[in-house]
Amino acid sequence: NAGVMQNPRHLVRRRGQEARLRCSPMKGHSHVYWYRQLPEEGLKFMVYLQKENIIDESGMPKERFSAEFPKEGPSILRIQQVVRGDSAAYFCASSSAAGFYEQYFGPGTRLTVT
Amino acid sequence: KQEVTQIPAALSVPEGENLVLNCSFTDSAIYNLQWFRQDPGKGLTSLLLIQSSQREQTSGRLNASLDKSSGRSTLYIAASQPGDSATYLCAVRRGSGGGADGLTFGKGTHLIIQP
Repeated sequence: NAGVMQNPRHLVRRRGQEARLRCSPMKGHSHVYWYRQLPEEGLKFMVYLQKENIIDESGMPKERFSAEFPKEGPSILRIQQVVRGDSAAYFCASSSAAGFYEQYFGPGTRLTVT
Repeated sequence: KQEVTQIPAALSVPEGENLVLNCSFTDSAIYNLQWFRQDPGKGLTSLLLIQSSQREQTSGRLNASLDKSSGRSTLYIAASQPGDSATYLCAVRRGSGGGADGLTFGKGTHLIIQP
């Protein structure tokens, strides 16, 4: 059973470009979470999605960031018009259900904005 | 708003020592608490998961305890080895309902085990 998969592992974008980060949850998992780890800061929750629904986006910046988890395919975190402050590691986690069930983390995507 | 604090922020000890890492959280309404390990530039490795109804979990040389009412958890590492050097993260899963289900992380304890 493959774990949570994220791609690309490393992404370099110039200021103003778009970044698209992908996350494939573990088989059988329908709950996806995105987290961001800024340099010298802790991991911060961004958004929680279930298939075709955003459940909680309280940690998502109000502008330029969006997330989706379509019926088919991976979850996508999209950052439009990237700025240098977006440089960070972005982690995806998945779970079989909410609440007591463990979240399993992917290896992360390291975004560098030049 | 849930806040998670980890003490100490950094720790350096000689190989072979037993050590304790501390984690505290402000809102006791949690589903569970999880300890992770993160190596530099790498992802998260889950070490132990303690459900809110449990008091402790053990895996090999690691033992984690949870006192939900006081908002505290400890990670005990026995007979430390240089390979244990990493950043250890504590995270709680919110139980406040309303769709809130993300983990709240502490900033971690950076551990160095001296050979």
